[in-house]
Amino acid sequence: QVQLVQSGGGVVQAGRSLRLSCAASGFTFSTYGIHWVRQAPGKGLEWVAIISSDGSYEYYADSVEGRFTISRDNSKNTLSLQMNSLRPEDTAVYYCSLLTTVTSFDSWGQGTLVTVSS
Amino acid sequence: DVVMTQSPLSLSVTLGQPASISCRSSQSLVYSDGNTHLNWFHQRPGQSPRRLIYKVSTRDSGVPDRFSGSGSGTDFTLKISRVKAEDVGVYYCMQGAHWPPYTFGQGTRLEIK
Repeated sequence: QVQLVQSGGGVVQAGRSLRLSCAASGFTFSTYGIHWVRQAPGKGLEWVAIISSDGSYEYYADSVEGRFTISRDNSKNTLSLQMNSLRPEDTAVYYCSLLTTVTSFDSWGQGTLVTVSS
Repeated sequence: DVVMTQSPLSLSVTLGQPASISCRSSQSLVYSDGNTHLNWFHQRPGQSPRRLIYKVSTRDSGVPDRFSGSGSGTDFTLKISRVKAEDVGVYYCMQGAHWPPYTFGQGTRLEIK
C-alpha cells in the first residue's frame, strides 16, 4: 500500500541544522510532487515546501525561505528537508505528504517532532 | 496568499446528530484545469491528518458516506449526517488552486456532547 515513512528530527539548539527524511513506497514516487507540512504544538497545519515530481522546481513558505531546502532522490524514492539556522518558532511536528488535490489518493507520513531550544 | 476561514472553530455534537463546518476562501478556488482544488482533512489526536474529500465533494476511498462536501467558488461546507464517536478530532479545509503557498483553514475541533 501507499506509505511514507519518516526519519530524523529531535532536539536541536537554535541556529543549528537538522535533516528530515521521508521514504516512499507503494506508488510511482517519481510521478508526484511532494510536500512538507508542519504543525506547531497545539496549532494548525502550515504548508512548508513542495518539490516537483522531477525535482525541477521547488517552492517554500516565506517563514522558511532561504533556511530550508527540500530535495528528492527518485532513484531511492526518498524526500529530504534540510533545515538550517533553526529558530524556536520552527518547533513542530513535520509531515511529508503528497497533498494531492485532484488525484484519487493521498498519503501522509507519520510525522516527526523537531524541537528547537533557545 | 489565499486566506481560508473556517467556522465554527469548535463544535459539540450529540452522537447521531448532524454536524456542519463552513470554509470560505478569499479567492475563487477554480483552477485553470476547471477543477476546484479544495480538500477536507480529519486529524485525530496524536495522528497524522487524513484526507476525507478532494475536489470539493469527492470522497476518498474508505470514507463513510455520512461525510459529504459541497460548495463552489469561495464557499464550501463539510457535513456529517450522523456523528459517530470516531469522528472526534480536528477538521481542516485546504486550497491548492493558488500556490505557493498552499493554505489551510484554522481547523474546527469536533467533540461529542
